[in-house]
Amino acid sequence: SQTIHQWPATLVQPVGSPLSLECTVEGTSNPNLYWYRQAAGRGLQLLFYSVGIGQISSEVPQNLSASRPQDRQFILSSKKLLLSDSGFYLCAWSPGHLNTEAFFGQGTRLTVV
Amino acid sequence: AQTVTQSQPEMSVQEAETVTLSCTYDTSESDYYLFWYKQPPSRQMILVIRQEAYKQQNATENRFSVNFQKAAKSFSLKISDSQLGDAAMYFCAYRSSDFGGSARQLTFGSGTQLTVLP
Repeated sequence: SQTIHQWPATLVQPVGSPLSLECTVEGTSNPNLYWYRQAAGRGLQLLFYSVGIGQISSEVPQNLSASRPQDRQFILSSKKLLLSDSGFYLCAWSPGHLNTEAFFGQGTRLTVV
Repeated sequence: AQTVTQSQPEMSVQEAETVTLSCTYDTSESDYYLFWYKQPPSRQMILVIRQEAYKQQNATENRFSVNFQKAAKSFSLKISDSQLGDAAMYFCAYRSSDFGGSARQLTFGSGTQLTVLP
């Protein structure tokens, strides 16, 4: 069966520091991968998605970037965090050959101080 | 671009009763998928139910069922025999059946916070 791992679960970082959140998927190949951000009490905003290695599409201009160095690995990064980057970040995957539901990781709560 | 609207920010239901959460969407496509996700206090997103637009029959999953009205672009979720564990934020989501580019993403509504009263 497929599983998705996302870490860390909680992160407190000072303004101006770098960020690296990692997500890996097991039990499938060539998945679509996504990074979403959720502000407190709000819906999900798609940040990045990837349909293959090295293929990254950005939905919202921001202080963040994403990379997919391996088929089942998706990384969310920032060189210098802003206070406004605080939020709950969710990684998700869906089968590459089917346009069906997405499956989510457990999320990372990021607080920038 | 597709949009998903959930007009009820908060709802409450008595334990063992039935509650219906509303969702409307806007699209020019004829074929697509609709989903309801549940986000409990742990904040992990859990798929509750899925509906393919080309299917006229409403999807059901145990105590969860949907009322899919394609012409009205409405997709409501009914929870029967509500339980305390159903308390969560519920999100309606849309996905195109097109395989191209950004069509692969999910578009979410703003969510409905459901409280279950004992």
